[in-house]
Amino acid sequence: DGGITQSPKYLFRKEGQNVTLSCEQNLNHDAMYWYRQDPGQGLRLIYYSQIVNDFQKGDIAEGYSVSREKKESFPLTVTSAQKNPTAFYLCASSPGHPRSYSNQPQHFGDGTRLSIL
Amino acid sequence: GNSVTQMEGPVTLSEEAFLTINCTYTATGYPSLFWYVQYPGEGLQLLLKATKADDKGSNKGFEATYRKETTSFHLEKGSVQVSDSAVYFCALSTLMDSNYQLIWGAGTKLIIKP
Repeated sequence: DGGITQSPKYLFRKEGQNVTLSCEQNLNHDAMYWYRQDPGQGLRLIYYSQIVNDFQKGDIAEGYSVSREKKESFPLTVTSAQKNPTAFYLCASSPGHPRSYSNQPQHFGDGTRLSIL
Repeated sequence: GNSVTQMEGPVTLSEEAFLTINCTYTATGYPSLFWYVQYPGEGLQLLLKATKADDKGSNKGFEATYRKETTSFHLEKGSVQVSDSAVYFCALSTLMDSNYQLIWGAGTKLIIKP
């Protein structure tokens, strides 16, 4: 079955530590996204990537970094500069180039819940 | 700017009741509109979508009609079940910096009691 796999499901970060969240998709989608979700709130865009080796900042990119070395993979690093990292992180992908397909839905993984130790 | 406003939750209903979750939007141009559902501890799943005015999206007994005159995309279901308990998100697709992005509502938590 095609889909998006996020790992781990739960992650704990110590003070001053960088942690990396994995996101892999086998949908052959060009575009991938990282969102942050806080309790009782909607989704906020952290980073997105339209194509391999290219990515753009979203609304809340500070304290986060990404890479897109392969089409199927879009890992997110939560750095020590992110002072309030406790949240639910969602990875998504969509087919085609974002400029061409305004009606294409995004497909989501099951999320990673990050907490501070 | 572009935005999506949903009715605040939680919305609590009894099984077999009629459901409406309101969603209104502000956007330039002609956005596509979406409803997503999030079950506890999971990611989001696309529930339905509409891509132009007067389109009706439907899935699993849920419906929503793209109303350009009222800038609304309200979600409805005639008879809800306990298994419909989840958080529902309304979203629109808009062109930002030459790329299409989704603008999200804050979500509405739905609780269905047996």
